[in-house]
Amino acid sequence: DTAVSQTPKYLVTQMGNDKSIKCEQNLGHDTMYWYKQDSKKFLKIMFSYNNKELIINETVPNRFSPKSPDKAHLNLHINSLELGDSAVYFCASSQPGGGLTSGYTFGSGTRLTVV
Amino acid sequence: QKEVEQNSGPLSVPEGAIASLNCTYSDRVSQSFFWYRQYSGKSPELIMSIYSNGDKEDGRFTAQLNKASQYVSLLIRDSQPSDSATYLCAVKVQGAQKLVFGQGTRLTINP
Repeated sequence: DTAVSQTPKYLVTQMGNDKSIKCEQNLGHDTMYWYKQDSKKFLKIMFSYNNKELIINETVPNRFSPKSPDKAHLNLHINSLELGDSAVYFCASSQPGGGLTSGYTFGSGTRLTVV
Repeated sequence: QKEVEQNSGPLSVPEGAIASLNCTYSDRVSQSFFWYRQYSGKSPELIMSIYSNGDKEDGRFTAQLNKASQYVSLLIRDSQPSDSATYLCAVKVQGAQKLVFGQGTRLTINP
């Protein structure tokens, strides 16, 4: 069984469109994240939710709106897509409270290409 | 100054040798440290975590932490071609519920 699953795996869309990426985890984790990985492999946090509550919003344009209907799901909606939004978006989750040595479990990623 | 810095490489190591990957961090209240491996087109997977000064060994992997020097490293012994990947260093800062990643080091093991 996949621990953190994201859909879709690939997304190709035109500038100006609106799109959503979905994420689900079956690990019983309380905290979920969205990370963006650019073409140089740099992974940068965008949002973090703890038990459906937004706890981190890292100066992301407000065209990006996360939603967590329950603690097992975290979706990302992007309005008015721009060329610079092209990247791989990773969902991740971690144990309650994070823990000292508790790392994150990542989903398989969504490769977004804006043309 | 970047919060977490790694040499982007590429780092080439002959098969069977020791690969040494380095990472420095800027925030002195950094609490715990993680090494992830990412194969091309795949997601990052956790290899090791460390939070106490010194060495921590797991199979062919050894993580080393020196908080005074704000330095963490990963040694891979008996390197195999399957170890060829990008290695990401990540730091968890006390009180902050996020992992901050370095830019990754691309490692190539040559047969």
